[in-house]
Amino acid sequence: EVQLVESGGGLVKPGGSLRLSCAASGFTFSSYSMNWVRQAPGKGLEWVSSISSSSSYIYYADSVKGRFTISRDNAKNSLYLQMNSLRAEDTAVYYCAREDLLAVAVMDVWGQGTTVTVSS
Amino acid sequence: QSALTQPASVSGSPGQSITISCTGTSSDVGGYNYVSWYQQHPGKAPKLMIYEVSNRPSGVPDRFSGSKSGNTASLTISGLQAEDEADYYCSSYTSSSTVVFGGGTKLTVL
Repeated sequence: EVQLVESGGGLVKPGGSLRLSCAASGFTFSSYSMNWVRQAPGKGLEWVSSISSSSSYIYYADSVKGRFTISRDNAKNSLYLQMNSLRAEDTAVYYCAREDLLAVAVMDVWGQGTTVTVSS
Repeated sequence: QSALTQPASVSGSPGQSITISCTGTSSDVGGYNYVSWYQQHPGKAPKLMIYEVSNRPSGVPDRFSGSKSGNTASLTISGLQAEDEADYYCSSYTSSSTVVFGGGTKLTVL
């Protein structure tokens, strides 16, 4: 079964850091680009970052550029999001999502999400 | 990276058809045939319903269809069913090699 499982969410103070992980299984992780997408409470989806299969291409939303770092370890079938200088507006459910092999910017498999709360 | 524009809500009765619009710019929706649509039920992860404007992944009913004209994409659901009640989001690839989502549309089946 194709599966993505996020972890690492929690409560953190403004200015703090957190590292999210996404464990992939059931498919050849190293072949796929991956994305992080977040959803603030009661709000819509917001794309956060993407990384190509070999980490050659990395992109960020303007709202997190310079604060968040996406990375992956293909040997461990894992995706990461290092979040620094966290702000209240970063509070959200963070989803990792697989990008379709053949279709551009198509997220065909999603995890269940991990919740990040930034509050003092 | 402004969000794509969607109506906040739409509604329809069972068996009817509804259309949700998604308006962007020539740098995203209008510039590429890389528009996707996602369905999200409360408390659940999004589910891919349409990709590349009008393609349906396997398992998605053919009641769901997509189209695009200029800078506006549309999702049409025909033969509305109770289980279609959910939030719907469009997304598009952008000229910056990023992805932008719409603000979301809440579909109510009356």
